[in-house]
Amino acid sequence: EVQLVESGEGLVQPGGSLRLSCAASGFSFSSYAMHWVRQAPGKGLESVSAITNDGGSTYYADSVKGRFTISRDNSKNTLYLQMGSLRAEDMAVYYCARRGGSGWYDYWGQGTLVTVSS
Amino acid sequence: EIVLTQSPATLSLSPGERATLSCRASQSVSSYLAWYQQKPGQAPRLLIYDASNRATGIPARFSGSGSGTDFTLTISSLEAEDFAVYYCQQRSIWPRTFGQGTKVEIK
Repeated sequence: EVQLVESGEGLVQPGGSLRLSCAASGFSFSSYAMHWVRQAPGKGLESVSAITNDGGSTYYADSVKGRFTISRDNSKNTLYLQMGSLRAEDMAVYYCARRGGSGWYDYWGQGTLVTVSS
Repeated sequence: EIVLTQSPATLSLSPGERATLSCRASQSVSSYLAWYQQKPGQAPRLLIYDASNRATGIPARFSGSGSGTDFTLTISSLEAEDFAVYYCQQRSIWPRTFGQGTKVEIK
């Protein structure tokens, strides 16, 4: 069974940093590109970042470019999102999602909440 | 960035009725459009990909159509579990963008 489990939930002050993790199981993690998608409270979905299966290429939304870093450790079947210079508008539930064979997000984690507040 | 505009924002219908949801792109996305369903407190679930293909395990009452800039998600006969928020998404150009969502609520 495919499972994606995010962790790293927390409360951080504006300007602070936080690292999210997404532990994958039930599939060959190194064969799939992975994405982070976020959802602010009561709002819609936003693609934040993506990484190819081998980590060789990464992609960022303009809203997080230069502040967030996506990475992965295929030996640990884990995806990461290092978030820095956090702002109030970064407060959201962050989901990791697998880019399936169809090219779309076929599996999602349960989400982890990032709260940015002083 | 490609902007996806969904309409209506809210659709109030009764079980058994037909639901028609629209998604319009600010520029052509070819057939690179998907539909997701999200229920409160849950992650989104892929329903339709590449405009008209049902994802694994999705009931036949869900269908998608369209290409270019205009797309439609149709639920032929609403069941209780279908009342949720629906999002369209494009993957023609990064960043992958989502529409703002259509809430299908019980009338």
